[in-house]
Amino acid sequence: SQQGEEDPQALSIQEGENATMNCSYKTSINNLQWYRQNSGRGLVHLILIRSNEREKHSGRLRVTLDTSKKSSSLLITASRAADTASYFCATDYNTDKLIFGTGTRLQVFP
Amino acid sequence: DAGVIQSPRHEVTEMGQEVTLRCKPISGHNSLFWYRQTMMRGLELLIYFNNNVPIDDSGMPEDRFSAKMPNASFSTLKIQPSEPRDSAVYFCASSPGTGPNEQYFGPGTRLTVT
Repeated sequence: SQQGEEDPQALSIQEGENATMNCSYKTSINNLQWYRQNSGRGLVHLILIRSNEREKHSGRLRVTLDTSKKSSSLLITASRAADTASYFCATDYNTDKLIFGTGTRLQVFP
Repeated sequence: DAGVIQSPRHEVTEMGQEVTLRCKPISGHNSLFWYRQTMMRGLELLIYFNNNVPIDDSGMPEDRFSAKMPNASFSTLKIQPSEPRDSAVYFCASSPGTGPNEQYFGPGTRLTVT
């Protein structure tokens, strides 16, 4: 399966702390995206990083990509209770199709 | 824009019944995707369309599942006959077109087959 693996599966932190989630994938990619899913809702796109980029920022989010290790990380700085959600990485392989990872469940306690 | 619209939001049906899920993509988007999400298997792509044409249906589990996109603003996913193992949340997503486009997800349809 091409499905990405995310690590950790679950993460609990206090508000104000940073949260780091990792994603590994199996074959060469074009782009990698991160999505958030609140409980009972659809996924929401957060950020896209291209295979020739190494780091990207968007507000409190920082994404890194290491194509040699076939891995990416998502850092959420100064977390808030509203960041509580599941986070998924998704990779594309030169088509419109995205392959989603298994997700990390993040719980941020006030 | 209202975003991707799915109906119904919840569906409870008995084994053997036909189920039809509906999706209206964001206006102007050229690609439409159907996903299924379960605890056991995560998020799986079932089928996707580009300009109303099915491009990849390799994720459709079996012949009981079929999907259509008769026009740019409407798609259906049909399960006939339904089975308890089809219970899942089904998502529709659309994206503007080819290339590294982000996908916009609908709220999902929670299907329970008893």
